[in-house]
Parts: sequence; structure tokens; C-alpha cells
Amino acid sequence: EPEVTQTPSHQVTQMGQEVILRCVPISNHLYFYWYRQILGQKVEFLVSFYNNEISEKSEIFDDQFSVERPDGSNFTLKIRSTKLEDSAMYFCASFGDRAYEQYFGPGTRLTVT
Amino acid sequence: KNEVEQSPQNLTAQEGEFITINCSYSVGISALHWLQQHPGGGIVSLFMLSSGKKKHGRLIATINIQEKHSSLHITASHPRDSAVYICAGMEYGNKLVFGAGTILRVKS
Repeated sequence: EPEVTQTPSHQVTQMGQEVILRCVPISNHLYFYWYRQILGQKVEFLVSFYNNEISEKSEIFDDQFSVERPDGSNFTLKIRSTKLEDSAMYFCASFGDRAYEQYFGPGTRLTVT
Repeated sequence: KNEVEQSPQNLTAQEGEFITINCSYSVGISALHWLQQHPGGGIVSLFMLSSGKKKHGRLIATINIQEKHSSLHITASHPRDSAVYICAGMEYGNKLVFGAGTILRVKS
């Protein structure tokens, strides 16, 4: 069965450093999402991406965040200058038009020290 | 702002029991996802429904659009069903609004 993959599974970084989280969505999917979950809290929407551009973003997704689909298969989330409060699990999700079911990646646990 | 509320927050059951988790949602939500999250953190989609009822193995999900309410049922529960179950509503633009999750523990 096709699946969404994410790398790395765990990233530790120092405050102020840039991080790039990578996702490979399911190949024929057209809609891509990033969500995050701070430990002990609800999963929150960050950004949606369709047709090579951002379709919607939340208040969390400020100028420190950016997304890209650099080569037609990868979908990346970049945090330019990490803060302690960026520590969270980051999930990528994708879906095609069939059934509107979103498929989630396994997540990247980001720890900012 | 759309919201999704789940209950209960925590649920402990004995193996074999029938389990129900409830979810209510606000007006702007067009469909409901039921998701399962294991201790490692990964999220698996169980169901997406916009009307009626769906069944997969021992899991059944129902939705009542008029009452804006959905339930997830687990029949003949088993310790391996222990996980966090999350209800998430789909908004315009297909982004998801998540409930807080129900922590289920099934004891043998």
C-alpha cells in the first residue's frame, strides 16, 4: 500500500538554527499539508499546498516557516531560525481526489535545545 | 473558528468490552476523520465519513449530520486497541481541525 514517508524521524537542533523537514507524499496525490503536535497538545494545522503554491496557512505559520516542492516528489518544511517553542512532532499529510482521505506520514520529532 | 470536541478524555476498558468514543463538531465542518495515534506518535487514518456509517473489522464509525455528532465504536476490545483516538473535522480547503483525543487503555 502506498505511504507517506518523512525524514528524519528525529531531529535535535540548537535554538536559532535552520531545519528542513522532508516528506515524500503519495505519488499521485495533489494536496499536501503540514501539521504539528506539541507534546500533550492537540494536533494543529500549519499549512496546505496545492498546485505548487500555498493554499492556506495558520497564524502559527509566520515568516520563519516556508514550504517547497523542489522536485515534484519531495515536500519540505523549513524553519529558518528555530525557537524552543518549535519543539514538536511535525506531520506531513497528502491526499488525492478519491474519498478525501488524508494519509499521514510517521512524523518528525523536532527537539530545539 | 471551527471546533471539534471529544469525549471521554480517558477511557479504561476490560478486554472484550464494547467501547464508544464521541465527537461533536461545529457548523463549518463537512466531513469527519477518525484517526489512531500510537505511543510512538504516528497517525493512522481509520475512517473518513460525511454521512451514515462505515465498518472495518471491529471498528464502526457513525455520523449524524443534523446533530453534528459522530461516534467511533470498538467491538470486542483487545489490549492492542490501546492508543489515542482522535476525531478531526474537515474544513473548507480540506484542512483538518483536530479534537484533543481520547486515550484508550484496554486491560487484559
